[in-house]
Amino acid sequence: KAGVTQTPRYLIKTRGQQVTLSCSPISGHRSVSWYQQTPGQGLQFLFEYFSETQRNKGNFPGRFSGRQFSNSRSEMNVSTLELGDSALYLCASSLNVGSGNTIYFGEGSWLTVV
Amino acid sequence: GENVEQHPSTLSVQEGDSAVIKCTYSDSASNYFPWYKQELGKGPQLIIDIRSNVGEKKDQRIAVTLNKTAKHFSLHITETQPEDSAVYFCAASPIQGAQKLVFGQGTRLTINP
Repeated sequence: KAGVTQTPRYLIKTRGQQVTLSCSPISGHRSVSWYQQTPGQGLQFLFEYFSETQRNKGNFPGRFSGRQFSNSRSEMNVSTLELGDSALYLCASSLNVGSGNTIYFGEGSWLTVV
Repeated sequence: GENVEQHPSTLSVQEGDSAVIKCTYSDSASNYFPWYKQELGKGPQLIIDIRSNVGEKKDQRIAVTLNKTAKHFSLHITETQPEDSAVYFCAASPIQGAQKLVFGQGTRLTINP
């Protein structure tokens, strides 16, 4: 069974540009969440989607947005990129919502903003 | 909101010895506590998890204990091997029914041969 798949794995963008990252959850998983990982701030929750609806959102500016499609795939978008947005962006999926659902992570998308 | 503290930040042990990593959490509503291992250039890999209705869970050389009263949980790795070298993260899930995880700062574990 394939794991969580994220594309692209690596990308370089210029300040002011926007970027879209994609995530395919594990087959059958319906919940998708996104995290940002940086050396300074560690792993931080961005948002969570289930049935195409955002259920929870972390403490990030409105430049960070996401969506989920009917097949559970998800995308996140960062507009007006800043140098501080350079990070590893991780997608995670779980079978369902509900307490204690096991959460699996993908390999991440490495974003460098120059 | 939930805050998770993880100690130590670095840990070096001899191959074959045991390693223990400890985490404390602040929100008593947290009910799910996974541990992840992250190798260089890779995403976090779930190694073990525990739910709030269980005090201890073991999977081969790895065990996790949870003390709800004290709000702390620990990862125990026995008979460590060089491939155990990685960064380990603890996490807590503070919202019932949500997939949001709050992570500790990570522990860089080095196994010396």
